[in-house]
This record gives sequence, structure tokens and C-alpha cells, in this order.
Amino acid sequence: GAVVSQHPSRVICKSGTSVKIECRSLDFQATTMFWYRQFPKQSLMLMATSNEGSKATYEQGVEKDKFLINHASLTLSTLTVTSAHPEDSSFYICSARRGVKTQYFGPGTRLLVL
Amino acid sequence: DAKTTQPTSMDCAEGRAANLPCNHSTISGNEYVYWYRQIHSQGPQYIIHGLKNNETNEMASLIITEDRKSSTLILPHATLRDTAVYYCIVRVGRGSTLGRLYFGRGTQLTVWP
Repeated sequence: GAVVSQHPSRVICKSGTSVKIECRSLDFQATTMFWYRQFPKQSLMLMATSNEGSKATYEQGVEKDKFLINHASLTLSTLTVTSAHPEDSSFYICSARRGVKTQYFGPGTRLLVL
Repeated sequence: DAKTTQPTSMDCAEGRAANLPCNHSTISGNEYVYWYRQIHSQGPQYIIHGLKNNETNEMASLIITEDRKSSTLILPHATLRDTAVYYCIVRVGRGSTLGRLYFGRGTQLTVWP
């Protein structure tokens, strides 16, 4: 299958700081990437759809000013958690759509906000 | 989007076939059935997808009923490494939400030695 990477794999930060997570499609170009969040013992929750060269589309209830998404190239999307708080601690996962049918997921980034 | 219903958990003996059911009674004609799995603390892994016909690849087989209201994912010879949460997802084929996957709770498959 296609390869999607995320960086960093885990990050610990202080409350009030901002954290940037990168998502890269390594062996294909992705015009569309997706960002998910997963809390312990829960399923993945779609946060936003990231389209190359245009603004991201956020799911209902997700604050766009809190979770900034930039999809500057066909192989890179970034998610910035601004002014992070302990309740933002979670497992953040990106996916990239290859062609029109299949999404491939990254390994995830574990964020801990102290 | 059509909702899916899966059993919360299932067990399977190593070497045996694991048959994971999924109900999607409200599926529309342009909606695909996708299966992903998630091993603990990792990103989901794509397994297989289908629209109407049965599908098979190196990982699994997907059997979709003729009325498309349910499907079964078959792992022909389960191994301990197949222990994971398996998600059945119905994905919209076109329109503004094209490509979005909405995950349910999935089925925790445990393969026993």
C-alpha cells in the first residue's frame, strides 16, 4: 500500500503553546488529506478535510482557529494546534487520498499537553 | 452517510477463518463499503473495499449481499497479528463529502493461539 508519514510521532508541550504536526504522502501525490483525532478507547473522529491550494473544510464542532490546517503542496499537510490545553491531548492521525477511492493513514502523533 | 452496525467484539482461533459481519441497511447506490483495521496505537490500515461485487486481495475477501444491506469481511487464515479493531465504513461516492470516512466503533477481533 501507499506510505503516509507523520512527524513528530509524539510530542509533549506546555499549556498555551502551539504544536505543529506534519503529514506527508511519500510515494504519491494527494490533493486531499484528512485529519482525525482519537481519544483513548474511542473511535477516530474526522476533524477536517484538507485540499491542496485551498482552505480546509472543518467538521461541525471543530474550531478552525484552534486547529489550523495548511496544505501547501501535493505531498504535505500540516495541522497546528494553537494555544494547546490539556483537553487537546489526543492521538492525531492524518490520511491521504490516493486517486478517488482509497485513503491511506499515517502512523499517528500522540500529543500530551501539560 | 449510511450508518453501519458491527458486533463489539469477536474471537477467532489462530489458523481459522475470521468472518466479520457488518450491517449497512440504509446504504445508497453510489456508496462504497470500506474495511480498515487499527492495531493498538497505530494508524488505521486499509484492507479492502467494494461496491456491488465480491472482492478479494492478498489480505482478505469482501462478500457483499445482493441487496447490499450487509457485508462480511473474511480473513481466511487468521494469525495473532490480525488482532485489531476492524472498521466497516460506508463512504459517499460523490458530492461535497466525497472521500470522507466516518468511523464507527468497529469490532475488536482477538485471535487466540
